[in-house]
Amino acid sequence: GDSVTQMEGPVTLSEEAFLTINCTYTATGYPSLFWYVQYPGEGLQLLLKATKADDKGSNKGFEATYRKETTSFHLEKGSVQVSDSAVYFCALTQNSGNTPLVFGKGTRLSVIA
Amino acid sequence: DVKVTQSSRYLVKRTGEKVFLECVQDMDHENMFWYRQDPGLGLRLIYFSYDVKMKEKGDIPEGYSVSREKKERFSLILESASTNQTSMYLCASRLLLGTGGYTFGSGTRLTVV
Repeated sequence: GDSVTQMEGPVTLSEEAFLTINCTYTATGYPSLFWYVQYPGEGLQLLLKATKADDKGSNKGFEATYRKETTSFHLEKGSVQVSDSAVYFCALTQNSGNTPLVFGKGTRLSVIA
Repeated sequence: DVKVTQSSRYLVKRTGEKVFLECVQDMDHENMFWYRQDPGLGLRLIYFSYDVKMKEKGDIPEGYSVSREKKERFSLILESASTNQTSMYLCASRLLLGTGGYTFGSGTRLTVV
């Protein structure tokens, strides 16, 4: 079945550092890809998405590009802030039928001032 | 914006009790989902529902049941709560078709003592 693998955390960075969180997937066809963020004590929020190969999703300074050839959807941000400290989840879904999202296990990011 | 509301943020129940977790969404989404989130295990799908009165087992349905009598409400039922069901429970909803992701509720942290 479909699966998502993302880098293990925790990741600790200093403020203004560059962030990359790796995400690779295994899926048939052309799924849609997502990044979700979970701030402490809250549910998950959609951060960005991409629905076809070479699409770039972006939001709040975060970006990820749908790379079909490498089956990857890495999350990047050029300059992180303390307020970006959260858990980040990569996910995919098939675009046909009632298939649930498949999530990675999450990567905890801590940004220190 | 779609809103997904979970009835309780925190619950403490005794072993053997029957527990109801309620989830309501306000945007006429067909699909609804229940996950549990545990450290190191990520999100695990318990049950989901394509539409009213329809339900499908997810990856870990044992010890749980669900009810979807109205489109906006999806209830998770712990028939006889056990300590290993202590967890964060997350509800989500999604439109049936298209490439959209989920909208999540804020979660219910359940402790079974």
